[in-house]
Amino acid sequence: NAGVTQTPKFRILKIGQSMTLQCTQDMNHNYMYWYRQDPGMGLKLIYYSVGAGITDKGEVPNGYNVSRSTTEDFPLRLELAAPSQTSVYFCASSSLGLDYEQFFGPGTRLTVL
Amino acid sequence: GQNIDQPTEMTATEGAIVQINCTYQTSGFNGLFWYQQHAGEAPTFLSYNVLDGLEEKGRFSSFLSRSKGYSYLLLKELQMKDSASYLCAVIDTDKLIFGTGTRLQVFP
Repeated sequence: NAGVTQTPKFRILKIGQSMTLQCTQDMNHNYMYWYRQDPGMGLKLIYYSVGAGITDKGEVPNGYNVSRSTTEDFPLRLELAAPSQTSVYFCASSSLGLDYEQFFGPGTRLTVL
Repeated sequence: GQNIDQPTEMTATEGAIVQINCTYQTSGFNGLFWYQQHAGEAPTFLSYNVLDGLEEKGRFSSFLSRSKGYSYLLLKELQMKDSASYLCAVIDTDKLIFGTGTRLQVFP
């Protein structure tokens, strides 16, 4: 099992550009999450999904969109990138709900200039 | 409201014992996690507590007191590889809230 994989590992965007961060898990987990982690800060939840076709906003959803067409994939879309979106983005999955261990991908380090 | 407090940094010596504290305020407590995160890497699961008491797992133990809104992570026989950030995360009703983490440096 590869676990949770994310691409790309690093990306530099110009202000106003768009991009999609990819996340795939091969553990057949229902729950998937997107977090951002700013330097010296905790993880902040952007969006989450409890299963294919179902997504919901987290704590900091503005400027992002997600979709969940399959159990395995949970891409995060940034429209009109802004410097405030410079961060490390982690995708995670868990078999069931919040009270289950989350497995994290290796992260995508995004810089918006 | 939601508030999680952890010390920002701690240092310890190889072979020693260190205790990392976490205090929290929640509307509806439903469990507490500890995750380890090495610099530049993803968090990895260490422990989960939902009932009061101590959970031991090898060199690591985690304690929870729900009435005091308090948890600690105890690391014994410290090794250099334990240098990392330790994240406390609390389930508040239907949300998982992460603290800012405690950066632990282990010196020889």
